[in-house]
Amino acid sequence: QQQVKQSPQSLIVQKGGISIINCAYENTAFDYFPWYQQFPGKGPALLIAIRPDVSEKKEGRFTISFNKSAKQFSLHIMDSQPGDSATYFCAASEWTGGFKTIFGAGTRLFVKA
Amino acid sequence: KAGVTQTPRYLIKTRGQQVTLSCSPISGHRSVSWYQQTPGQGLQFLFEYFSETQRNKGNFPGRFSGRQFSNSRSEMNVSTLELGDSALYLCASSTGVTDTQYFGPGTRLTVL
Repeated sequence: QQQVKQSPQSLIVQKGGISIINCAYENTAFDYFPWYQQFPGKGPALLIAIRPDVSEKKEGRFTISFNKSAKQFSLHIMDSQPGDSATYFCAASEWTGGFKTIFGAGTRLFVKA
Repeated sequence: KAGVTQTPRYLIKTRGQQVTLSCSPISGHRSVSWYQQTPGQGLQFLFEYFSETQRNKGNFPGRFSGRQFSNSRSEMNVSTLELGDSALYLCASSTGVTDTQYFGPGTRLTVL
């Protein structure tokens, strides 16, 4: 019940295309859903996050879509660029007397120039 | 504001030794969480400290421990190192009031 399932494991997209990464969860106590971007040799960087009271959040080229009833959320990267090539992690967080964040397995995105 | 800093960045130890990693959170942040990142298991939650108290912990053996000081800096200790402890250890800081976390660059631990 604590898992966050992320797909696909890897993704190749043409420059200018749309990259879509999906995540699913079981635990309905999760109430914060962030996405992180990680480049080799670096720590994950917070990209965008959403709470379950909204169905969509957009920041620049990055959009989170959230489906509470299906317990799924996804990241859309519009106009994908070679500089977006990185590993992306979805995560889900809950309060259990302290914050506990569970991460998906990650998606390696490669944007072809 | 300065970001999260972790020291050292790289460590090589041998089996059976112990190691201490350090994390300085963003100024004003009172919560520090630690994660282990490996290619096989991904990012796994170790524990969270807030105002010098452990508030939450993941499913790791007692060899993994931590503490937080009054200035919010945190240390993580791993005793009796095993080969499988080789990983990138990440700390993340937050205000502790919200769950928005900011990660440091990590400490790469290699156990030989």
